[in-house]
Amino acid sequence: NAGVTQTPKFRVLKTGQSMTLLCAQDMNHEYMYWYRQDPGMGLRLIHYSVGEGTTAKGEVPDGYNVSRLKKQNFLLGLESAAPSQTSVYFCASSYLGANYGYTFGSGTRLTVV
Amino acid sequence: SQQGEEDPQALSIQEGENATMNCSYKTSINNLQWYRQNSGRGLVHLILIRSNEREKHSGRLRVTLDTSKKSSSLLITASRAADTASYFCATDATGNQFYFGTGTSLTVIP
Repeated sequence: NAGVTQTPKFRVLKTGQSMTLLCAQDMNHEYMYWYRQDPGMGLRLIHYSVGEGTTAKGEVPDGYNVSRLKKQNFLLGLESAAPSQTSVYFCASSYLGANYGYTFGSGTRLTVV
Repeated sequence: SQQGEEDPQALSIQEGENATMNCSYKTSINNLQWYRQNSGRGLVHLILIRSNEREKHSGRLRVTLDTSKKSSSLLITASRAADTASYFCATDATGNQFYFGTGTSLTVIP
């Protein structure tokens, strides 16, 4: 089993460009999450989904959009990248939310110049 | 914010010693989890403790939870160099999502 797979692993964007980060899980998990990790800030929740076709905002949703068209995929979009979005992005999934542990992907390191 | 806060921010010990790190949080929770993150990698789930539990063990890990003090501790016994990593606590209040602290950086010196 691959678990949670994130693509790409690294990306450099120019300010104003757009991109989509893909998260795929093969564990039939209902819940999926996008976090960003910045030095000294810990992990902050961007958006999450409690099932196919659903999305909800987390702590820091501004500047990001998400979609969950298929149960196994959770996409994070940046419509107009800003330097403040330079971060490491982690996707996670869970069988049924906070009563179960999360499985994390290996991260996407994004730099916006 | 419901975010947990780990203490200390950094900890350095000799191999074979025990490592203790603490987590404090602000609001009532349903569950609390501990995760490990090796440098440049994703987080790995270590243990989940529910609000009605006081202590859990998993191998060399021991987690305690004191809901009256809104705090938890993670004890790693007989530490190894491979335990070098950052450790995060995560708390939930809503049941849908966990909030992570800023982590404790543990260095185990061989």
